[in-house]
Amino acid sequence: SAVISQKPSRDICQRGTSLTIQCQVDSQVTMMFWYRQQPGQSLTLIATANQGSEATYESGFVIDKFPISRPNLTFSTLTVSNMSPEDSSIYLCSVRPGTGGFNEQFFGPGTRLTVL
Amino acid sequence: DQQVKQNSPSLSVQEGRISILNCDYTNSMFDYFLWYKKYPAEGPTFLISISSIKDKNEDGRFTVFLNKSAKHLSLHIVPSQPGDSAVYFCAASGSNDYKLSFGAGTTVTVRA
Repeated sequence: SAVISQKPSRDICQRGTSLTIQCQVDSQVTMMFWYRQQPGQSLTLIATANQGSEATYESGFVIDKFPISRPNLTFSTLTVSNMSPEDSSIYLCSVRPGTGGFNEQFFGPGTRLTVL
Repeated sequence: DQQVKQNSPSLSVQEGRISILNCDYTNSMFDYFLWYKKYPAEGPTFLISISSIKDKNEDGRFTVFLNKSAKHLSLHIVPSQPGDSAVYFCAASGSNDYKLSFGAGTTVTVRA
């Protein structure tokens, strides 16, 4: 597995502002992902963070709203832009170490975002 | 379009008894299935997985059963312990696609 940390762990933000969430892994990993868990809902994949190239977004998510950076194999950021109360969620990064098993992904502790 | 479904939002079980969590999927391209456990204020923790070439995988107190023809899998926890009280998510992916599709989760409460 991998040890994953996220910053911040939680934040309360005003409508119209932006927040950048950081994800740090203790080892190099090929694949990193960003998920969202809205209140009372399941986890939904936002995008795959690709090292050295643009992220691959899922249907319903766009780069202008959720810009992602992946400068190296251990770090990624997700920005939630021009926030509205509907963006209040837990944002999670995950990694697929690519060693052992088939497709186990390991998750960070999450960032709990509240937008007022 | 929910491709992975957990139809039981909650389950209450007595300590020492068996917990059985169910999961159904609709996408026939899924061939790898995982269970995650989540405590409040923490990220999901990987529990156990199974590939479509198997019908059973066991790891300690946790066993996952897969019925491909029925597109159904289940997680058995025996014996259930108070620390097992958490939300359990079923997830699935295809062999050519590393994206995970998650079910809505089942909240398990283990009673003393």
